[in-house]
Amino acid sequence: EPEVTQTPSHQVTQMGQEVILRCVPISNHLYFYWYRQILGQKVEFLVSFYNNEISEKSEIFDDQFSVERPDGSNFTLKIRSTKLEDSAMYFCASSVGRRGEQFFGPGTRLTVL
Amino acid sequence: GQQLNQSPQSMFIQEGEDVSMNCTSSSIFNTWLWYKQDPGEGPVLLIALYKAGELTSNGRLTAQFGITRKDSFLNISASIPSDVGIYFCAGPFEGGSQGNLIFGKGTKLSVKP
Repeated sequence: EPEVTQTPSHQVTQMGQEVILRCVPISNHLYFYWYRQILGQKVEFLVSFYNNEISEKSEIFDDQFSVERPDGSNFTLKIRSTKLEDSAMYFCASSVGRRGEQFFGPGTRLTVL
Repeated sequence: GQQLNQSPQSMFIQEGEDVSMNCTSSSIFNTWLWYKQDPGEGPVLLIALYKAGELTSNGRLTAQFGITRKDSFLNISASIPSDVGIYFCAGPFEGGSQGNLIFGKGTKLSVKP
């Protein structure tokens, strides 16, 4: 069964460093998303992406964040200058349609020291 | 803003018991999604509901989309130890155009063998 994959599973970085989190969405899906979950809290929406551009973004997704689909399969989230409060699980998700069921990857645990 | 309220926050039950949890909102939702999350993993989609009044089953799981479109419940029958996890309801934020999901805070289920 097709699934969303994410790498790395765990990323440790120093405050101020740039990180790139990678995702491979399900191949026939057209809508891509990034969510984050701070430990013990609910899942929060960051950004949605369709047709090679950002569709929606939340207040969390400030100028330090960017997303890219560099090729036909990968979808990346970049944090330019990480802060301590960026420590969280980051989930990629994808869906066939705009209102369709979203399928989540296993997540990348980001730890900022 | 739109919020999803889940209850109960946590449940401790004996293996074999039935479980019921629900999700309410002050806003109308046109889609309800139920996810399960194991520790350190991504949310896994259990059931999707698209129509008011809809009752859908997936094995021992049954979920209903409330008639008012402001609530949904999830039932698990004859619970087993692998049902342990956090159950989230989610729905698309109606102010967004790309179906970005809002999540509830989750119901944590513990099952005693």
